[in-house]
Amino acid sequence: AQSVTQPDIHITVSEGASLELRCNYSYGATPYLFWYVQSPGQGLQLLLKYFSGDTLVQGIKGFEAEFKRSQSSFNLRKPSVHWSDAAEYFCAVGAITNTGFQKLVFGTGTRLLVSP
Amino acid sequence: DTAVSQTPKYLVTQMGNDKSIKCEQNLGHDTMYWYKQDSKKFLKIMFSYNNKELIINETVPNRFSPKSPDKAHLNLHINSLELGDSAVYFCASSQDMLVGNNEQFFGPGTRLTVL
Repeated sequence: AQSVTQPDIHITVSEGASLELRCNYSYGATPYLFWYVQSPGQGLQLLLKYFSGDTLVQGIKGFEAEFKRSQSSFNLRKPSVHWSDAAEYFCAVGAITNTGFQKLVFGTGTRLLVSP
Repeated sequence: DTAVSQTPKYLVTQMGNDKSIKCEQNLGHDTMYWYKQDSKKFLKIMFSYNNKELIINETVPNRFSPKSPDKAHLNLHINSLELGDSAVYFCASSQDMLVGNNEQFFGPGTRLTVL
């Protein structure tokens, strides 16, 4: 079955420091991968997605992610974190249901705290 | 303009009651979804509709009944509410159900509390 693992429940980063959030997936075929961000009390917003092609994907708000097939990973990075980046981050994989349609399978999320 | 909207934002009710949550999208999308986010922030799909037709039903209790009167609306009705139904429910939409167009846009969520 398809699954997504985000090994870090929460991470604290100093403002201005670099960030890497880890994501590992389990999927038999070529995965469709997504990173979403959820600010407190808000819905989810798409940061970036990988379907095919260049394995380094650029997203909004200065985020990027790199797809590494050999490691089954899709880690999210940002070179310099801002206080407004404090939020919950979800990695997701597009998986095929038993009826042939696609659904998103989410990881359990990583809460990012930004210290001054 | 809000792309995906949900009402109400908060819902507090007693066990055994029946309640509904409404969702509307003005993006012209064909596919809509309901997700449940539990207290540990775990997000799981419940249903998906494409052009008013149910295409995904993830073994959700039949107390939960989605209804799509048109492709811009997907409502969720819950009968005989239980304590375990307390969660945040998110509606989402995507252009269609094809993989390449499956970027999903989420509503702000409805926090349901069952007492």
